[in-house]
Amino acid sequence: AQSVSQHNHHVILSEAASLELGCNYSYGGTVNLFWYVQYPGQHLQLLLKYFSGDPLVKGIKGFEAEFIKSKFSFNLRKPSVQWSDTAEYFCAVSGGSNTGKLIFGQGTTLQVKP
Amino acid sequence: SAVISQKPSRDICQRGTSLTIQCQVDSQVTMMFWYRQQPGQSLTLIATANQGSEATYESGFVIDKFPISRPNLTFSTLTVSNMSPEDSSIYLCSVKWSGELFFGEGSRLTVL
Repeated sequence: AQSVSQHNHHVILSEAASLELGCNYSYGGTVNLFWYVQYPGQHLQLLLKYFSGDPLVKGIKGFEAEFIKSKFSFNLRKPSVQWSDTAEYFCAVSGGSNTGKLIFGQGTTLQVKP
Repeated sequence: SAVISQKPSRDICQRGTSLTIQCQVDSQVTMMFWYRQQPGQSLTLIATANQGSEATYESGFVIDKFPISRPNLTFSTLTVSNMSPEDSSIYLCSVKWSGELFFGEGSRLTVL
């Protein structure tokens, strides 16, 4: 069965610290990979996505993620976090033609202390 | 981008009643989706709603419990029928636009 696993449920960092959120997926085929962010009181927004090509993808607000096929991973990184990055982060995967059908991870709550 | 409005944003409902959630999009879209986020859990797709055809439900979700309408390319409704406390969740509408999935702000239902 398809699944997505996010290793960290709650992460607390100080401003300027580096961030890496783990995401592993289980899917038997070509995958599309996504990271979504939900800021407090706001709707889900797409941070970045990977469909094909360069496995290192850059998203908005300085975020990037690397697709490592051999490890079934798509970890999210940011070199230096800001207080405004406090949010919940979701990794998601889709396969096939229906890219509206996303399998989401459990989410990681990131708290950045000023 | 596509802007999605959902109503109601939140509601408190009594066991055994039904509630209809509306989703309005500012652009015409072929594919609309309904997701559920139960407390402390991740998002789960309930169904895919395409205009002019019956909704396609995911495993574990049935039309009698979650009837969906899709009368045109900018609007859809999801009804949560005969509610129980286990239906307390956030229900989100989403649309596929330019290859990207956009989400509404969600409708938070609490069933007493």
